Amino acid sequence: SAVISQKPSRDICQRGTSLTIQCQVDSQVTMMFWYRQQPGQSLTLIATANQGSEATYESGFVIDKFPISRPNLTFSTLTVSNMSPEDSSIYLCSVTGLSGNTIYFGEGSWLTVV
Amino acid sequence: KNEVEQSPQNLTAQEGEFITINCSYSVGISALHWLQQHPGGGIVSLFMLSSGKKKHGRLIATINIQEKHSSLHITASHPRDSAVYICAVFYGNMRFGAGTRLTVKP
Repeated sequence: SAVISQKPSRDICQRGTSLTIQCQVDSQVTMMFWYRQQPGQSLTLIATANQGSEATYESGFVIDKFPISRPNLTFSTLTVSNMSPEDSSIYLCSVTGLSGNTIYFGEGSWLTVV
Repeated sequence: KNEVEQSPQNLTAQEGEFITINCSYSVGISALHWLQQHPGGGIVSLFMLSSGKKKHGRLIATINIQEKHSSLHITASHPRDSAVYICAVFYGNMRFGAGTRLTVKP
């Protein structure tokens, strides 16, 4: 199993500012992902965080808006840049096994942009 | 068309009722998960299925690979089962259904 610590758990942010979310896993993992869950919606994949190289972004998400770092196999950060109220969401870090047979989530970061 | 279709979107039941949530997907997969998300936001995997059927307490999950369909059943439902249940399938990446919001009333 994997235990994922994510912080902050909750924040209220001013429009135009940026916030960095941290994700720490208690073991080395290959596949690490960042998701967004807008109010009342399901999970949308933002990007795959690749260790030592640039993240792989899904359609509709760009590096300038959501820069991601992954310096090693246990840690990643997601920055939400130049925030607007539309960015108010839960952001979740997740890790999966290579064959998808396991999946674990962080507790989520609830961001409200005012 | 969404790759993962879940039904129903919302479900209200009385305590003790038998509940079924369905998931259909359109691609070949290597694994399917049923996830539970409580109002606090945390998500846990209840089951991972690649074939057949699994049971854990009052929860039963089945999958039919040929028909690309899975069901999650809850027997003798309880108010603490109230949560959002999400079907997730893996083929290279994890893809998620829209979720089923279950409310069990005492």
